[in-house]
Order: sequence, then C-alpha cells, then structure tokens
Amino acid sequence: DSGVTQTPKHLITATGQRVTLRCSPRSGDLSVYWYQQSLDQGLQFLIQYYNGEERAKGNILERFSAQQFPDLHSELNLSSLELGDSALYFCASSVESAGGLNEQFFGPGTRLTVL
Amino acid sequence: GDSVTQMEGPVTLSEEAFLTINCTYTATGYPSLFWYVQYPGEGLQLLLKATKADDKGSNKGFEATYRKETTSFHLEKGSVQVSDSAVYFCALTAGDSSYKLIFGSGTRLLVRP
Repeated sequence: DSGVTQTPKHLITATGQRVTLRCSPRSGDLSVYWYQQSLDQGLQFLIQYYNGEERAKGNILERFSAQQFPDLHSELNLSSLELGDSALYFCASSVESAGGLNEQFFGPGTRLTVL
Repeated sequence: GDSVTQMEGPVTLSEEAFLTINCTYTATGYPSLFWYVQYPGEGLQLLLKATKADDKGSNKGFEATYRKETTSFHLEKGSVQVSDSAVYFCALTAGDSSYKLIFGSGTRLLVRP
C-alpha cells in the first residue's frame, strides 16, 4: 500500500458526460501528479500541483482540468468525454524537497470506460 | 525533449532464467532514473532507483546501473520467478523543476514454470 488513495476504482460513463476523479496523497506530501495510461499513448504525464498551485502541465486536453484543495487532496475533472478518453488514470504524490530524490508514490488508479 | 526507450516485449522466460530489459534515455541535465513495476490489475510500484552516474539501484533481486556514458539503465535479475511476471517501466525525472516522470513504453515479462 503506497498510502495514496484514489476513488472511484472504476467508472463507466457515456460520451459527452463529465466525471471527477479524486486523489488523496500520502500524509505530508505536498505534490500531486496525474498520469494517464492508455493502450495507444502509454503512460503520460497530465498535470502537477504543489501545495495548491499548478506547477506543470503535460499533455492535458483543454476538456480536462484539475485542482488541489487546502487539505491537499486533488481532483481531476474530465468533461465532454470521448471514447478515446477511456484509460487508467493514476495519481502520484511526493514530498518534494530541495535537492531530494522526490520519489513518487502511485495510487491504484481509476479505470475510466467511456461507452 | 527528454525521452525513454525500452525494448519491445513481451519477454518470455523460463523460471530461474537470467533477465535483462534494456532501457536507454535522452535527457538534458542529470535526471534521476527509475524502474517501476505493474502487476496485473494493479497500480505502479517503484522497483528501484538511481540518482547519479554509476549508482546501482537494487531491490528484490533486481539491479540496474546508471550509465551516463551509454545513457542506459538496463534492468537485470539473475533468476526470475513466475511471480515476477508483470509490466516493467523505465522512467526518468524531467529536467525542469516539476520532477514529473517520463516513462518508456513498458516491457511485459512472462515467466513460465
């Protein structure tokens, strides 16, 4: 158990809908990362938050957005869903110290299926 | 930009065989290097890591050495078990301030009894 929790574990929805994925980082970790794992794109970085602020953006679609709340949990919002958004979405957290390794710990993922 | 290249899978071995999964990288600066493992139906687990040239990461019988001269971080294990069957991902931290991970495409390992 990495200490990172994600809900829900599975999500099945229809095209055009909107969903919210939730992540709770390990206790004490200020940094949260979101990754998407799909068959055709592999594992790709989406976005990072650090202590409530957006730190970096990767290959995240405009239909997707995220935020990190004062209690440090994070939500990834996916809207106007398309079939191609079906994937496994991982959240990871790290403590992020200056000069440190910043090892990331991954949650179990949310499997999204868009029908 | 930064990238990671892994050997194509699947890699199929008999139990107790020697394992090598090749990984090479392209990066600016001096990235940290990682191997993650994903067992069927599960999330990613960190297997081992190395932060600087010539560092050797090791865990559960797996080893990998950070080779700056060949920009490689090959994963090895002397004697694989059926329970090692999984997908293995090589990754590096990006050269910017985000520390985001850049992953290779993954290599599936199948170990037969």
